[in-house]
Amino acid sequence: DGGITQSPKYLFRKEGQNVTLSCEQNLNHDAMYWYRQDPGQGLRLIYYSQIVNDFQKGDIAEGYSVSREKKESFPLTVTSAQKNPTAFYLCASSAGPGRDNTEAFFGQGTRLTVV
Amino acid sequence: QKEVEQNSGPLSVPEGAIASLNCTYSDRGSQSFFWYRQYSGKSPELIMSIYSNGDKEDGRFTAQLNKASQYVSLLIRDSQPSDSATYLCAVSPGGYNKLIFGAGTRLAVHP
Repeated sequence: DGGITQSPKYLFRKEGQNVTLSCEQNLNHDAMYWYRQDPGQGLRLIYYSQIVNDFQKGDIAEGYSVSREKKESFPLTVTSAQKNPTAFYLCASSAGPGRDNTEAFFGQGTRLTVV
Repeated sequence: QKEVEQNSGPLSVPEGAIASLNCTYSDRGSQSFFWYRQYSGKSPELIMSIYSNGDKEDGRFTAQLNKASQYVSLLIRDSQPSDSATYLCAVSPGGYNKLIFGAGTRLAVHP
């Protein structure tokens, strides 16, 4: 089955801890994205990557970090510098650059709660 | 000005009616436009993509694009209660290869 897998589905973080959210895709897509969604809000772009070993900040990158060492994997670390991390985190991928390749498909999301 | 704007709703329509959802965007160089449906607590699901001016139909859904007015819309014909969800407009700004979302419009279809 081709798709995007996010884990875990639910994650609880204590104040001051770093946590890493996993995102894996087997669609052979070049581009991958991380979004954050707060209740009743749209999706805000955290980071995106068009190719392996390269990534760019989105609109709300502060307090987050990513890596893209493999084409199929794009993990997101929520650091202690992120003051309000409780949110629904969504990973997506698309085929890559080019007008007709930007259709993005989403994983099932990770719901992060600070306790 | 937000890059992608949508009316938050809720938009309430009776079953069987046409639901009309609208979206405007700020980057005149944008090339790719998408509509996603998101049920409460779930991830967004792609329902339509459109790249050229005009209409694109897929079943009960029609996407309309007007680049001169920087406007994209989604029509849902014969609306069903199962269409009740939040509809997200997404735009790929020219030259950036990223996807920017609007805040979404909540649609409620009542029997």
